[in-house]
Amino acid sequence: GAVVSQHPSWVICKSGTSVKIECRSLDFQATTMFWYRQFPKQSLMLMATSNEGSKATYEQGVEKDKFLINHASLTLSTLTVTSAHPEDSSFYICSAPGLAEGDTQYFGPGTRLTVL
Amino acid sequence: TQLLEQSPQFLSIQEGENLTVYCNSSSVFSSLQWYRQEPGEGPVLLVTVVTGGEVKKLKRLTFQFGDARKDSSLHITAAQPGDTGLYLCAFRLSGTYKYIFGTGTRLKVLA
Repeated sequence: GAVVSQHPSWVICKSGTSVKIECRSLDFQATTMFWYRQFPKQSLMLMATSNEGSKATYEQGVEKDKFLINHASLTLSTLTVTSAHPEDSSFYICSAPGLAEGDTQYFGPGTRLTVL
Repeated sequence: TQLLEQSPQFLSIQEGENLTVYCNSSSVFSSLQWYRQEPGEGPVLLVTVVTGGEVKKLKRLTFQFGDARKDSSLHITAAQPGDTGLYLCAFRLSGTYKYIFGTGTRLKVLA
């Protein structure tokens, strides 16, 4: 089956630094990928849609200048959290949709970000 | 506004008990999915229901899609500690590949 990986699986950084999270589709191409954020004991909230070769589209309330998304190839999307603050600490999950109508989406294992 | 409300939010039960989790909305969906997520991992798809009134079984898990396709339920029979996790319902926005998740139900099954 389709596999999506994320790197790193966890990261701890100081407040004010930027952190890059990678999402890769390992055995299929993904022109679209999605980024979710999940706070402890809460559900997944869709942050943005990453589009290969074009700008990402962000959900309402998500700061595009803070969460930079780059989808440079058909197998890689990156999310950069700029000038991270403690309130950005969260679990970030990416996903890529299946290719056919009705297909599910394939989730990465997630990246836990802790900002000190 | 969360389009999918799940209840209960939290549930702690003893091994062997039965339970039902609900996913409700005022909107009609063409399909609805159920996922289970364990701590520190991504969600794993359990089932997709498509037809109003549809019932699907996955071992001890029974999923039902409401007749009007606005709600769904997940029933677990004889729960086991391995069923512990966050259960999420989700739907796909029409014409897109975007999925919107419900508020989640956190289940803990005690041995």
